Amino acid sequence: DIQMTQSPSSVSASVGDRVTITCRASQGIRSWLAWYQQKPGKAPKLLIYAASNLQSGVPSRFSGSGSGTDFTLTISSLQPEDLATYYCQHANTFPFTFGPGTKVDIK
Amino acid sequence: EVQLVQSGAEVKKPGEALKISCKGSGYRFTTYWIGWVRQMPGKGLEWMGIIYPSNSDTRYSPSFEGQVTISADKSIDTAYLQWSSLKASDTAMYYCARQYSSSDAMDVWGQGTTVIVSS
Repeated sequence: DIQMTQSPSSVSASVGDRVTITCRASQGIRSWLAWYQQKPGKAPKLLIYAASNLQSGVPSRFSGSGSGTDFTLTISSLQPEDLATYYCQHANTFPFTFGPGTKVDIK
Repeated sequence: EVQLVQSGAEVKKPGEALKISCKGSGYRFTTYWIGWVRQMPGKGLEWMGIIYPSNSDTRYSPSFEGQVTISADKSIDTAYLQWSSLKASDTAMYYCARQYSSSDAMDVWGQGTTVIVSS
């Protein structure tokens, strides 16, 4: 099975800051990588699919990049409503494992 | 509106059986996979398995194979997750979500079903 790691496990940043989260796959997954946002008490929400494609309705301050084994989610200007945990997930081969998550706090 | 509506919260005793549901609406149910995701209290997301309702092609995570059964009834646009004998460690929130192809992302999620297993 492909294992997913994320760093950092948590980050605290100020409104307006640029925040970068890294996701690494244990083997190449081409561009089959998605990013999800989960706010407290809510279901996850798709932000980015196929590594760099912004899901409809998602603010443009979110962007994704990478291919192969290394991927990045960037929030260009952190907003108060971005308080959440962010997960990556691969969709290369079954099972489609998630990363452990990165918790984003607002300073 | 495209949505997945899950069945309500359940409180069960260890050893009991359970089947929870996920009903799709607003789209052609048979053209999307439905996946199931577990979230234990205070923990991250775990991919359990996935089914293609059109032909019932089902794949499981090795961590969940033999522990749960995923099924679907395409005549009523509903997918299911079931246990034959619950354990306390099955206490969690369970989400269903759809994805268009086997290499796609989960773009629409259900609201989640809380399962509590306690004696």
